[in-house]
Amino acid sequence: AQTVTQSQPEMSVQEAETVTLSCTYDTSESDYYLFWYKQPPSRQMILVIRQEAYKQQNATENRFSVNFQKAAKSFSLKISDSQLGDAAMYFCAYKTSGSRLTFGEGTQLTVNP
Amino acid sequence: DTAVSQTPKYLVTQMGNDKSIKCEQNLGHDTMYWYKQDSKKFLKIMFSYNNKELIINETVPNRFSPKSPDKAHLNLHINSLELGDSAVYFCASSPRSGGNTEAFFGQGTRLTVV
Repeated sequence: AQTVTQSQPEMSVQEAETVTLSCTYDTSESDYYLFWYKQPPSRQMILVIRQEAYKQQNATENRFSVNFQKAAKSFSLKISDSQLGDAAMYFCAYKTSGSRLTFGEGTQLTVNP
Repeated sequence: DTAVSQTPKYLVTQMGNDKSIKCEQNLGHDTMYWYKQDSKKFLKIMFSYNNKELIINETVPNRFSPKSPDKAHLNLHINSLELGDSAVYFCASSPRSGGNTEAFFGQGTRLTVV
């Protein structure tokens, strides 16, 4: 079974600084997709960024980028120029063609002014 | 304009009661899901439907019964509620069951069983 591990239950960052959230996963599949979701206190799950495993280039969305290391099965999220609105629980998620999203345990990010 | 809509947002009920949570998506998606988020914020899939057909049924007590009257709706009925059922339940949808399509989530229903 596929598993997703986020080893950092909590992280904090100063406003305007950069922070990296870690995620590793375990799979025997070669074709899969990885996602980072954000869950602010409002409870809404919001997609931050996605990466297809067949793509070597790391995905980037504005201040958010990933470091995808397929051989190491690692998928970290880097948030640059952190803003107060980035404070949230961040979930790493894995998906194969079989449709289910498997989530990690989450990392609670605090942004200090 | 809400893409995935769940009702109610909050539900407080007594043990032993039967309750339903409704979900509707207006995105034209083929696939819908129910996820459970426990008190430690862990998210786990419960069910998935593709075009009204059940395609994922995780190890969930049979007190939980999903129903999909059409592909835009996926409701969750829970019988004989127990204290351990207290959680946030999320409905989600995606364009299709496979591929790189992300899931779009509703705002969640916080269920509290007392």
